[in-house]
Amino acid sequence: EEQLAESGGGLAQPGGSLRLSCVGSGFTFRNFEMNWIRQAPGKGLQWVSYISSSSSMIYYAESVKGRFTTSRDNDRNSLNLYMTGLHDDDTATYFCTRVVRGVTQANALDLWGQGTMVIVSS
Amino acid sequence: DIQMAQSPSSLSASVGDRVTISCRASRTIRTNVNWYRQKAGKAPELLIFAASTVQRGVSSRFSGGGYGTEFTLNISSLQPEDYATYYCQQTHMRPSTFGLGTRVEIK
Repeated sequence: EEQLAESGGGLAQPGGSLRLSCVGSGFTFRNFEMNWIRQAPGKGLQWVSYISSSSSMIYYAESVKGRFTTSRDNDRNSLNLYMTGLHDDDTATYFCTRVVRGVTQANALDLWGQGTMVIVSS
Repeated sequence: DIQMAQSPSSLSASVGDRVTISCRASRTIRTNVNWYRQKAGKAPELLIFAASTVQRGVSSRFSGGGYGTEFTLNISSLQPEDYATYYCQQTHMRPSTFGLGTRVEIK
């Protein structure tokens, strides 16, 4: 069964740091582009970051650029999100997601982890 | 950023009803829109890819359509497991953006 499993969430103080991890199983992780998506409590979905299969391209939402760093280790089937300078509005559930591409420009998020909760509070 | 205006924000419907949810993009996005269902306390799941392609394993009661700026998600016969929140997403231009969601409730 194809799965993504996040870990590393928890409580952090404003200005603090946290590292999230995601491990993929049941599929060839190195072949897929990945994204982090977050969802604040009771709110909608927000794209956070993208990383290509080889890590050659990495993009961030403006709200996290310069504070968050995405990386991956294809030998360990893992995706990471290192978050620094945390704000109250970074409080959210963070989902690791896999990208599926169609024959044209189309792409979507076809596999999601269960999410890991990050709470930023003093 | 491309804004995705989703409507309605919520609706009440009975099992067996046909339901339609709409999304309007702030600029043309061809068919680069996806639809997701999120059940309470769970991760979203992909329903429709590229405006009209039903994702593998998803029931045929779900269908999608549209082009350019206007898109719809249709549920032909609402089932108990469809009481959830639905989101559209555009992937035409980075950053990818989502609609605010449509909550489907039991009537």
